[in-house]
Amino acid sequence: KAGVTQTPRYLIKTRGQQVTLSCSPISGHRSVSWYQQTPGQGLQFLFEYFSETQRNKGNFPGRFSGRQFSNSRSEMNVSTLELGDSALYLCASRREGRGNTIYFGEGSWLTVV
Amino acid sequence: GIQVEQSPPDLILQEGANSTLRCNFSDSVNNLQWFHQNPWGQLINLFYIPSGTKQNGRLSATTVATERYSLLYISSSQTTDSGVYFCAVEEDSNYQLIWGAGTKLIIKP
Repeated sequence: KAGVTQTPRYLIKTRGQQVTLSCSPISGHRSVSWYQQTPGQGLQFLFEYFSETQRNKGNFPGRFSGRQFSNSRSEMNVSTLELGDSALYLCASRREGRGNTIYFGEGSWLTVV
Repeated sequence: GIQVEQSPPDLILQEGANSTLRCNFSDSVNNLQWFHQNPWGQLINLFYIPSGTKQNGRLSATTVATERYSLLYISSSQTTDSGVYFCAVEEDSNYQLIWGAGTKLIIKP
């Protein structure tokens, strides 16, 4: 079956612009979470969605937002981009219920210039 | 909340060597997973191992839940094993995964 699909894979934006990243989870997975990873750093949790509702949220400013659609696809948006937003943005999905394996997409590489 | 610590932070080995990576967590957990992130950023799930021992080829993992630690063993290392290894645990109180900072492994030919 198809894995987690993220688009676009690579993008370059200028400061002040906004960006929208998309994530299609594995079929049957209703939980989608987003992470930011800056060069040489670990994974910073952004938010998790389940059944179109934000279930958990990390410690990021309000410029970072997301949503989930009824087909479980998710988007995240970053407004008023800053240079420090340059990072790999990873999306992951898993089945509902505790103890389920989480699967990651290949990520979206965002460069802000 | 739960704290997850991984050690060592960095590890450099020659091809063919064995290695042990450790993940300590501060409270009881429902779920512990090990991941490998390759140099291109792709994160691959290695093991789901809340307790006990599992093996997959040259890799094996052991979690001792009562003592709150997990170990990832890599035998006969290959250059393709290079990358960052993360462990992540799921809190009892919610569904959020808590991640360690990772161990960066470099295997030299």
